[in-house]
Amino acid sequence: AQSVAQPEDQVNVAEGNPLTVKCTYSVSGNPYLFWYVQYPNRGLQFLLKYITGDNLVKGSYGFEAEFNKSQTSFHLKKPSALVSDPALYFCAVRGTGFQKLVFGTGTRLLVSP
Amino acid sequence: DAGVTQSPTHLIKTRGQQVTLRCSPKSGHDTVSWYQQALGQGPQFIFQYYEEEERQRGNFPDRFSGHQFPNYSSELNVNALLLGDSALYLCASSLGTDQETQYFGPGTRLLVL
Repeated sequence: AQSVAQPEDQVNVAEGNPLTVKCTYSVSGNPYLFWYVQYPNRGLQFLLKYITGDNLVKGSYGFEAEFNKSQTSFHLKKPSALVSDPALYFCAVRGTGFQKLVFGTGTRLLVSP
Repeated sequence: DAGVTQSPTHLIKTRGQQVTLRCSPKSGHDTVSWYQQALGQGPQFIFQYYEEEERQRGNFPDRFSGHQFPNYSSELNVNALLLGDSALYLCASSLGTDQETQYFGPGTRLLVL
């Protein structure tokens, strides 16, 4: 069975500092990995995905994520946090063959000025 | 190009009633998935429709049913509502290929009293 763990309920970072939101996964076979962001009272917005290829994936709003197969991790990163970044960030995993998307519990990002 | 749309945005029902939620996929998409997001949780997969058939189902009781129409739009029906069915219901659309990203609508917030 697929599963995702986001070990931090909340991440606090100062504006301008780099940020990391952690995600580890478990799936049979090759993983398809996704990051989504959710603003208050809104649906999920797609940020980026890893399917195959380069382990460093670049996405929307300056975010990137690094796929590490040996550590089964897919951490979300941004070189410099902005005041517009606070939101709820979800990591999700799916196996091959039209399997369901499984989400983590989410990490709330706070950015202090 | 319209994204995924859902209706209604909010809904209040009482226990035992039935509810129907609607979703129109992003233009060009043929697959619709439904998720339930309880407060403070990540989205949980309900089921997915492709070519008007339920292709996959999560761990939800038979009270949850769905339908996909020839124009790819979809409905989620919940019978005999329970207080625990109160949640944000998210619809996601994608192309019916293995590696495609799911794009989410804004959701329908259901409150069961």
